[in-house]
Amino acid sequence: SQTIHQWPATLVQPVGSPLSLECTVEGTSNPNLYWYRQAAGRGLQLLFYSIGIDQISSEVPQNLSASRPQDRQFILSSKKLLLSDSGFYLCAWRGQGVRMNTEAFFGQGTRLTVV
Amino acid sequence: AQTVTQSQPEMSVQEAETVTLSCTYDTSESDYYLFWYKQPPSRQMILVIRQEAYKQQNATENRFSVNFQKAAKSFSLKISDSQLGDAAMYFCAYRRISNFGNEKLTFGTGTRLTIIP
Repeated sequence: SQTIHQWPATLVQPVGSPLSLECTVEGTSNPNLYWYRQAAGRGLQLLFYSIGIDQISSEVPQNLSASRPQDRQFILSSKKLLLSDSGFYLCAWRGQGVRMNTEAFFGQGTRLTVV
Repeated sequence: AQTVTQSQPEMSVQEAETVTLSCTYDTSESDYYLFWYKQPPSRQMILVIRQEAYKQQNATENRFSVNFQKAAKSFSLKISDSQLGDAAMYFCAYRRISNFGNEKLTFGTGTRLTIIP
């Protein structure tokens, strides 16, 4: 069966420090991968999605970047964190195909607090 | 651009009763998917139910069912026999369909459901 791992679960970082959140998927190949951010009391905002290795699409301009160095690995990064980067970050995957694998599966999330 | 609107930030229901959560969406597409996700206090996003727009029959999953009104672009979730474990944030989501299969999910802002014992 497929599983998705996301870490760390909680992170407190000072302003200006770098960030690296990692997400890996097991039990499938060539998944679509997504990074979402959920601000307090709000819905999910798509940050990045990837349909393949080194293929990253950004949805919103921001202080963050994403990379996909391997098929099932998706990394969210920042060189210098801002206070506004605080939030709950969720990684998700979905299988390729138009009518197959319709829903996305989410990781446990990372709560990032920038202080 | 597609948008998803959940107009009820909070709802509450007595245990064992029925509650309906509302969702409307805006799209120019004719073929798409709609989803309801549940986010309990653990923050894990869990799929509750999905509906394919080309299917007229409303989807059901045990105590969960939807009322899909395509012309009105409405997609409500009905929870029957509410249980304490149903307490969570519920998100409505939309995904269009294309030949590439890589479309994103667009989420509403969520409805926080409280179950009253």
